[in-house]
Amino acid sequence: DSGVTQTPKHLITATGQRVTLRCSPRSGDLSVYWYQQSLDQGLQFLIQYYNGEERAKGNILERFSAQQFPDLHSELNLSSLELGDSALYFCASSGWDSQETQYFGPGTRLLVL
Amino acid sequence: AQSVTQLGSHVSVSEGALVLLRCNYSSSVPPYLFWYVQYPNQGLQLLLKYTTGATLVKGINGFEAEFKKSETSFHLTKPSAHMSDAAEYFCAAETSSGNTPLVFGKGTRLSVIA
Repeated sequence: DSGVTQTPKHLITATGQRVTLRCSPRSGDLSVYWYQQSLDQGLQFLIQYYNGEERAKGNILERFSAQQFPDLHSELNLSSLELGDSALYFCASSGWDSQETQYFGPGTRLLVL
Repeated sequence: AQSVTQLGSHVSVSEGALVLLRCNYSSSVPPYLFWYVQYPNQGLQLLLKYTTGATLVKGINGFEAEFKKSETSFHLTKPSAHMSDAAEYFCAAETSSGNTPLVFGKGTRLSVIA
């Protein structure tokens, strides 16, 4: 158990819909990262938050957005969903030290039908 | 931009044989390097990491990796494979300033044959 929790575990929805994925980082971790894992693209970085502020942005679509709340949990919002958005979405967290490891949650498996 | 290359999308070894999974990075400044393992329907678990210091890094489950700057490599090894090692293995790099996103290789699926 990494200490990072993600809900829901599975999500099935239809094209055009909007979903919210939730992540609670390890206790004390200030950084939260979101990654997408798909068969064709592999593991790709989407976005990073540090203590409530956006810190880095990767290959995140404009239809996707995220935020980190004062209690440090984070949410990833996916809207106008397309079939190609079906993937495993991971959240990871790390501490403030530059050599801190990123610990991954169990992921949310999204299936868009 | 930084990139990570894992040679071989699928490696198959016999139980008890040496495991060697290859990883090369491309970066002018040596990054922090990681190996993660993913078991079916599970998240990513850290096996080991290299940041600074000793270039031979020991991890969990008997795995180790050696950072070779001259070869820009960070290959993962285990002397004797066990059936429970069957999983997907990912090499990842992070800029040496830390607290930055990971860049992953495409992964290597390890099969262990009895």
